[in-house]
Amino acid sequence: GAVVSQHPSWVICKSGTSVKIECRSLDFQATTMFWYRQFPKQSLMLMATSNEGSKATYEQGVEKDKFLINHASLTLSTLTVTSAHPEDSSFYICSTGTSGRSGYEQYFGPGTRLTVT
Amino acid sequence: DAKTTQPTSMDCAEGRAANLPCNHSTISGNEYVYWYRQIHSQGPQYIIHGLKNNETNEMASLIITEDRKSSTLILPHATLRDTAVYYCIVLRYGTASKLTFGTGTRLQVTL
Repeated sequence: GAVVSQHPSWVICKSGTSVKIECRSLDFQATTMFWYRQFPKQSLMLMATSNEGSKATYEQGVEKDKFLINHASLTLSTLTVTSAHPEDSSFYICSTGTSGRSGYEQYFGPGTRLTVT
Repeated sequence: DAKTTQPTSMDCAEGRAANLPCNHSTISGNEYVYWYRQIHSQGPQYIIHGLKNNETNEMASLIITEDRKSSTLILPHATLRDTAVYYCIVLRYGTASKLTFGTGTRLQVTL
């Protein structure tokens, strides 16, 4: 299957600072990437859809000014958590999809665990 | 996209087949059934998907009922490494399709 990487795999930051998370599609071009957030013992919640060369589409309830998404190339999307607070501590996961012989498949990165102190 | 219902948790002995059910009674004709799993603290892993025919790959088999209102994911010989949360998702086929995750089934494989 396709490979999606994320960097960093974990990060600890102080309250009020900003953190950037990178998502890379390693072996195919991704015009669309998705960003999810997962709190402990909960399911994944879609935050936004990142489109290469255009503005991201945010899900209801997700603050676009707090979670800045940039998708400047076909292989890289970044999520910046601005002015992070402890309640932003979560597991952030990106994904992207591709259509192959067996149809559409979506692949996920390994996730980035953010802890805000 | 149609809603899915899965049992909250299941246990399976190592070496036995794990059969994970999913109900998707409101599925539409152009919606596929996808299965993903998430091992603790990792990103979800694609397992298999299908439309109406049964499907098999190196990881699992997917059995979809004739009316397509339910399906079963089968792990033929479960191992401890198959312990994970398994998500059944119904998705309209196409590129750039966002996945909506439910609560999934927590499968515990035991010795």
